[in-house]
Amino acid sequence: KNEVEQSPQNLTAQEGEFITINCSYSVGISALHWLQQHPGGGIVSLFMLSSGKKKHGRLIATINIQEKHSSLHITASHPRDSAVYICAVRYSRFPAGKSTFGDGTTLTVKP
Amino acid sequence: DARVTQTPRHKVTEMGQEVTMRCQPILGHNTVFWYRQTMMQGLELLAYFRNRAPLDDSGMPKDRFSAEMPDATLATLKIQPSEPRDSAVYFCASRGVSSYNEQFFGPGTRLTVL
Repeated sequence: KNEVEQSPQNLTAQEGEFITINCSYSVGISALHWLQQHPGGGIVSLFMLSSGKKKHGRLIATINIQEKHSSLHITASHPRDSAVYICAVRYSRFPAGKSTFGDGTTLTVKP
Repeated sequence: DARVTQTPRHKVTEMGQEVTMRCQPILGHNTVFWYRQTMMQGLELLAYFRNRAPLDDSGMPKDRFSAEMPDATLATLKIQPSEPRDSAVYFCASRGVSSYNEQFFGPGTRLTVL
């Protein structure tokens, strides 16, 4: 079983819809990272979280350390949001700093 | 426009050959990561350096892979000898001084080993 589980695996939405992608993990972590990978392959770092919530434009990321769960929300989704969203966690114990990745959520936003 | 650069962008080689991939982190960033992405395994962390010193390379096959930072502006990942199962996209990323800074990814090197 992967230590980082993302859901859903695939998501199709209509433009303008509110989107939520979930990430659950089973290990102690020092930080959680949301990444976006565009269809061309490039990877962009969206958020690095250790607690609470962060917002950047239409993207919001939250984390609940007790429940070992994080969500990435996209408000007013747009076709350009279509990408693979990857959750990664950084271990807090040995090997400290090592990261494990989820399998990604493929988001398609239709106009 | 600060960005991480990687060379080459594409590499096709024959099994058994040596492959060297290079990464130039963003100036001033002191932490450099090497990742590998395949369809089967997804993204994996191979190794990372802080202030040019290797902190963790447990994700890297030791017998054929080696990673170094000859200086603060260059990181290298070498495979010798290469095997078809090494075919993947290799990403380099760098991060600033704070461990809670986000990482900036390079465009990747797409390696095909025939």
